[in-house]
Amino acid sequence: GENVEQHPSTLSVQEGDSAVIKCTYSDSASNYFPWYKQELGKGPQLIIDIRSNVGEKKDQRIAVTLNKTAKHFSLHITETQPEDSAVYFCAASIPGNNDMRFGAGTRLTVKP
Amino acid sequence: EAQVTQNPRYLITVTGKKLTVTCSQNMNHEYMSWYRQDPGLGLRQIYYSMNVEVTDKGDVPEGYKVSRKEKRNFPLILESPSPNQTSLYFCASSLTTARETQYFGPGTRLLVL
Repeated sequence: GENVEQHPSTLSVQEGDSAVIKCTYSDSASNYFPWYKQELGKGPQLIIDIRSNVGEKKDQRIAVTLNKTAKHFSLHITETQPEDSAVYFCAASIPGNNDMRFGAGTRLTVKP
Repeated sequence: EAQVTQNPRYLITVTGKKLTVTCSQNMNHEYMSWYRQDPGLGLRQIYYSMNVEVTDKGDVPEGYKVSRKEKRNFPLILESPSPNQTSLYFCASSLTTARETQYFGPGTRLLVL
């Protein structure tokens, strides 16, 4: 089955800097890649997703890039703010499957 | 307000005592799923349901049961809980499949002694 690895496990940046979180997946058939943000004491919330027919997607300060050849995708957060501090999860899904495989998560801390 | 609710939010129990964690959504979603979250392991899918009376195993189904008798409800049942089921549990729902936005509940923290 699909296996998703996520790095780094923790990331600390200064406010205003950029943050990058990277995930790799094992099954080349995967074609849906969401990113979820989990704030303390809450359930995860989708922040952006990408499907394999595009290489990059942006939404204001957040972007996701996908490299299908290398089987990795990354979350980029620019101009980080303290409210970006949270745990971020990547995930991958194979067409025809209805399960979702998540990475282990990255705890991002943005220092004011 | 569109939401996924879970009850209880916190539960302490003992080994072998059957328990049920309820999950309900008010968005008329067809797809519902249960995950457990453990440090260093992220979110792992336990079971999912594509619609009423349609359920399937996820990545870690051992020791769990589910049912989907109504579209809005998807309870998670632990027939004989063990300490290795101590975890943070999340229910989620989406319109039709896992391959679209999943809306998560607030979580249930379970401790099995």
